[in-house]
Amino acid sequence: DAGITQSPRYKITETGRQVTLMCHQTWSHSYMFWYRQDLGHGLRLIYYSAAADITDKGEVPDGYVVSRSKTENFPLTLESATRSQTSVYFCASSESHLTDTQYFGPGTRLTVL
Amino acid sequence: TQLLEQSPQFLSIQEGENLTVYCNSSSVFSSLQWYRQEPGEGPVLLVTVVTGGEVKKLKRLTFQFGDARKDSSLHITAAQPGDTGLYLCAGMHAGKSTFGDGTTLTVKP
Repeated sequence: DAGITQSPRYKITETGRQVTLMCHQTWSHSYMFWYRQDLGHGLRLIYYSAAADITDKGEVPDGYVVSRSKTENFPLTLESATRSQTSVYFCASSESHLTDTQYFGPGTRLTVL
Repeated sequence: TQLLEQSPQFLSIQEGENLTVYCNSSSVFSSLQWYRQEPGEGPVLLVTVVTGGEVKKLKRLTFQFGDARKDSSLHITAAQPGDTGLYLCAGMHAGKSTFGDGTTLTVKP
C-alpha cells in the first residue's frame, strides 16, 4: 500500500528493555520525522532526517536513537525504555523542504511498565 | 525553544454554532500550519499560511495569519459533528516546526 506505515501499532514493554519502532514510506520523500504525543499535548519532535544517512536532533532526543540507511525507512530505537517514554509515537515524511506538508503515519502507542 | 499556545484547550458546542480557536506566540514564524487529528490517527494538514495578514478559506473554515506572523486563528462557521477532532497549529522557523498543544473540539448533533 502506498503511503506511510508504522509498526507495531501497539507495544507494551518493560523498563530497561530496548524497543524499536518502525516507519516506512513509499513516496521516496527526502525528509522523515519522529514525534511523540503525550496525553493532552501536541507533538514534540524527537529526531528528523533530511536524507539517507543524514539525521539531526529535535526537541526531545534524549533516550532515543535513529538511523536511516534507506530513504524509505526511519526506525526509532529506545535503547533502555523508561516509564516517561510511554507515549504515542508518530512518524511523518515530507517531499523536500522541512516546511513542506508533513504526512503522518497512524502512530504507535507504546506503554512502558 | 519557541512556544505556541493554543486556546481554548477544550471546546464543546452544538451543531450549527460558529467558533474560533487561537494559536499565539511571542516568536515570529516563517509560516504556520493547521492540522486536524482524529482519535487513533495521525494529524492531517488543513492549511499553510505564509504571509502576515493572510486569510485562507477552506469551505467553512477560515484561517488567518497575524500581521506580525506571531499568531493565527481558525474560524469554523456552522460547525458540524464531522468537525470534531483535535486542532493543532505548528509554527515553522529556521527549518524546524513547533507544535501547540491543540484544541479539542466536540460538536454535538
